[in-house]
Amino acid sequence: SQTIHQWPATLVQPVGSPLSLECTVEGTSNPNLYWYRQAAGRGLQLLFYSVGIGQISSEVPQNLSASRPQDRQFILSSKKLLLSDSGFYLCAWTRAVQETQYFGPGTRLLVL
Amino acid sequence: GQQVMQIPQYQHVQEGEDFTTYCNSSTTLSNIQWYKQRPGGHPVFLIQLVKSGEVKKQKRLTFQFGEAKKNSSLHITATQTTDVGTYFCAGFGILDSNYQLIWGAGTKLIIKP
Repeated sequence: SQTIHQWPATLVQPVGSPLSLECTVEGTSNPNLYWYRQAAGRGLQLLFYSVGIGQISSEVPQNLSASRPQDRQFILSSKKLLLSDSGFYLCAWTRAVQETQYFGPGTRLLVL
Repeated sequence: GQQVMQIPQYQHVQEGEDFTTYCNSSTTLSNIQWYKQRPGGHPVFLIQLVKSGEVKKQKRLTFQFGEAKKNSSLHITATQTTDVGTYFCAGFGILDSNYQLIWGAGTKLIIKP
């Protein structure tokens, strides 16, 4: 069966510090991978998606970036965090574009 | 660009009452998915509707996809405390020249004590 992991589960970072969140998928190959952000009590905002290694599409211009160094690994990064980067970051995978999205447990980020 | 509007934002019900959330798109969707997010959790897939006018049931949950494939609804009969959470619809359509999943803002179901 397929599983998706995210870490860390929670993170408190000062403004201006760097960020690296990791997402890995097990039990499938060549998944489509997604990063979402969810502000408290709000909906899902798609940040990045990837259809293959090294292929990243950005949906929202901001100080975040994403990378896919391996088939089942997706990384969200920032060089300098802003207060507005606080939120719940969710990674998801699909077998194909129109299929079910399977979400990881998420990372709660608080920037102080 | 294409949007999916979801209403209401919140709904407070007494346990045992019914609950409905609606999604409306500005243009035709190829399909629509529904997800549930429990408090503190991550979204979990519930169902996908593909055909015009399709109706699917999961126990007390009834999902509908409109004839024009522009709207959808989720109805829960006789809510229980386990139904608490936020329900999201997400439809496949064109957004910023890309064919992708467009998310509604979610409806939060709150059970009154």
